Amino acid sequence: DAGITQSPRHKVTETGTPVTLRCHQTENHRYMYWYRQDPGHGLRLIHYSYGVKDTDKGEVSDGYSVSRSKTEDFLLTLESATSSQTSVYFCAISESSRGHNYGYTFGSGTRLTVV
Amino acid sequence: RKEVEQDPGPFNVPEGATVAFNCTYSNSASQSFFWYRQDCRKEPKLLMSVYSSGNEDGRFTAQLNRASQYISLLIRDSKLSDSATYLCVVTASYGQNFVFGPGTRLSVLP
Repeated sequence: DAGITQSPRHKVTETGTPVTLRCHQTENHRYMYWYRQDPGHGLRLIHYSYGVKDTDKGEVSDGYSVSRSKTEDFLLTLESATSSQTSVYFCAISESSRGHNYGYTFGSGTRLTVV
Repeated sequence: RKEVEQDPGPFNVPEGATVAFNCTYSNSASQSFFWYRQDCRKEPKLLMSVYSSGNEDGRFTAQLNRASQYISLLIRDSKLSDSATYLCVVTASYGQNFVFGPGTRLSVLP
C-alpha cells in the first residue's frame, strides 16, 4: 500500500478550539488534498497543494487553513472548530506525468467530532 | 446540475448476478476517469481507471462514451465481497482536482 498516514484517527474536541490534522506521505507525490465526507454530500474538497508552500482553496474551504512546509506533510487546521465541522476527513495524494493523471490514494481518514 | 451524477441506488442483487452502474459528467473538457470503491467506514480505494477504448479487469468492465459524457461499470458474477459504495471520479486535465460522484451503494445478497 502507498505510504500515506493520517493522524489522529479519531478526535473529539470542543466548539471554539483550534484543531490540526496531519497527513504524512512517503511517496514523494507532488499533489496532496484534504477532503471531508458527510452523508448526503459525498466527498468535498477543502484545500489542496501542488507543491511545497503552494496551496489553494477547494469547494468548502471556509473555516479551514492548510500548510505544506515539506513535501511529505500537509496539515489541515480548523481555526475555531464548530459542530458543522464534525465529519470524516480524508487526505489524498496523487501524481501525474506526461499528461496522464494517476488516481488518488487516500489515507485511512480522521473521524472528528466537535461537541 | 452537479458535475458528476450517479444512480443513487441502493442496488440489492443476488450473488452471481450482473450489475451495471452509470455515471454522467457535465464538463466536456474532462480527461481522466476512474471508478473507486469505498467500504463502510473506510477510505475510497481505486478500482480501475477508465480508458477511451474501454477496459476490463477480471469481472469488472468499464466503458467511456465521450460523446454522451457517460461512464459505466459492469460487474459480472457478483460476490458478497463486492458489497460497497462505488464512486465515479472525473478530472478535467493534467494535475487537476478530481471530482467525485455521490456514489452508488451495492449490496450483494446470499
